[in-house]
Amino acid sequence: QVQLQESGPGLVKPSQTLSLTCTVSGGSISNGNYYWNWIRQPAGKGLEWIGRVHTSGSINYNPPIKSRLTISLDTSKNQFSLTVMSVTAADTALYYCAREEPEGATRWGAFDIWGPGTVVTVSS
Amino acid sequence: SNGLSQPSSVSVSPGQTARIPCSGDALPRQYAYWYQQKAGQAPVLVIYKDSKRPSGTPERFSGSSSGTTVTLTISGVQAEDEADYYCHSIGTSGTMFGGGTKLAVV
Repeated sequence: QVQLQESGPGLVKPSQTLSLTCTVSGGSISNGNYYWNWIRQPAGKGLEWIGRVHTSGSINYNPPIKSRLTISLDTSKNQFSLTVMSVTAADTALYYCAREEPEGATRWGAFDIWGPGTVVTVSS
Repeated sequence: SNGLSQPSSVSVSPGQTARIPCSGDALPRQYAYWYQQKAGQAPVLVIYKDSKRPSGTPERFSGSSSGTTVTLTISGVQAEDEADYYCHSIGTSGTMFGGGTKLAVV
């Protein structure tokens, strides 16, 4: 079955760039009608959707943080990635990648598979 | 408003029925989804398209929808159901989550 695994630096200095990768195993990232998402959760708080990339390459971002984000797909490595520029302490969180299967023509759906998450701390 | 509202906590005794509401203006037009998140674990989908159960979700979990409110119901709550529960739907800017409800089984 498909599994997701996040990887990243763990610690990033303020104003620098955070880069995370989600590796997909058990299936091809480019097969099927799926969106590949990034979601984060500050310690003790709720879930925040960051953005997603479709198997076709189309991308959607959460507007409040869109200006600092880049999400990309690397089908040769079966991975997708997240880059967050100019990080601050507010970007400290547990970052999840998740698969989304859209409902018909709506282009949105449930997050049916999640990675275990990776902790990112922004600190000097 | 473009958001989802949930109570911060719900408490029930084992064997009772827990109901967790989620309210939002988009809910009459968009499906809702529910996730269970146990301490130290990633969220797990327990309800999709308002009321459908993925394979693996126990039958005691059910979902319903009425107007601007969707409700996750857990019948015959067990100790293992103690977790945070998040509703999820779609707003004008894309995916949105409720703030989460901590279910305490006491």
